[in-house]
Amino acid sequence: GESVGLHLPTLSVQEGDNSIINCAYSNSASDYFIWYKQESGKGPQFIIDIRSNMDKRQGQRVTVLLNKTVKHLSLQIAATQPGDSAVYFCAENSGNTPLVFGKGTRLSVIA
Amino acid sequence: DAGVIQSPRHEVTEMGQEVTLRCKPISGHNSLFWYRQTMMRGLELLIYFNNNVPIDDSGMPEDRFSAKMPNASFSTLKIQPSEPRDSAVYFCASSAGQGSEAFFGQGTRLTVV
Repeated sequence: GESVGLHLPTLSVQEGDNSIINCAYSNSASDYFIWYKQESGKGPQFIIDIRSNMDKRQGQRVTVLLNKTVKHLSLQIAATQPGDSAVYFCAENSGNTPLVFGKGTRLSVIA
Repeated sequence: DAGVIQSPRHEVTEMGQEVTLRCKPISGHNSLFWYRQTMMRGLELLIYFNNNVPIDDSGMPEDRFSAKMPNASFSTLKIQPSEPRDSAVYFCASSAGQGSEAFFGQGTRLTVV
């Protein structure tokens, strides 16, 4: 049947476990990548970014990995907490273009 | 800084009415973006400005949509006349420019009945 809406991929994780959210991008010219977190009723919130001259960047409990060869980006969240439950978006741009957002992944943390 | 400020937070209007959404970007940011988010299409870029100048409005769905940025601290997105299919959450975001993250407002939830 016809889709009535975006079917967001959902990742269910036990509290305390690590989460890995993946994103594929298509523009090989993209040189800047960001992960955003969006909680219900709020705007997307910056988590971490990475530039194309790097393949890994770490923040507080989060790590972003960039594989330019296969145009793949991942977000790792260590010791996932209930407050991490949200929709996560990857975004990319190149040069002076605005950010292009992926469709998002819903992370559900099971207490 | 209070971040990107949008108003109103919620708007319910009747089909055919004019709707104006407002945005105050973060002071010092020179890029401003209007996005629309729906269940069907996700987060879509409608238009963006650099230094108050519209750069790309190819995402604006129809002539019923228009956006202005009369100065560095204020932008509006207007829909006239509004239609039920315009119902969505509209986000404004600003950034310091090329290669920097965009900061989003809380959004305006628009419902057209």
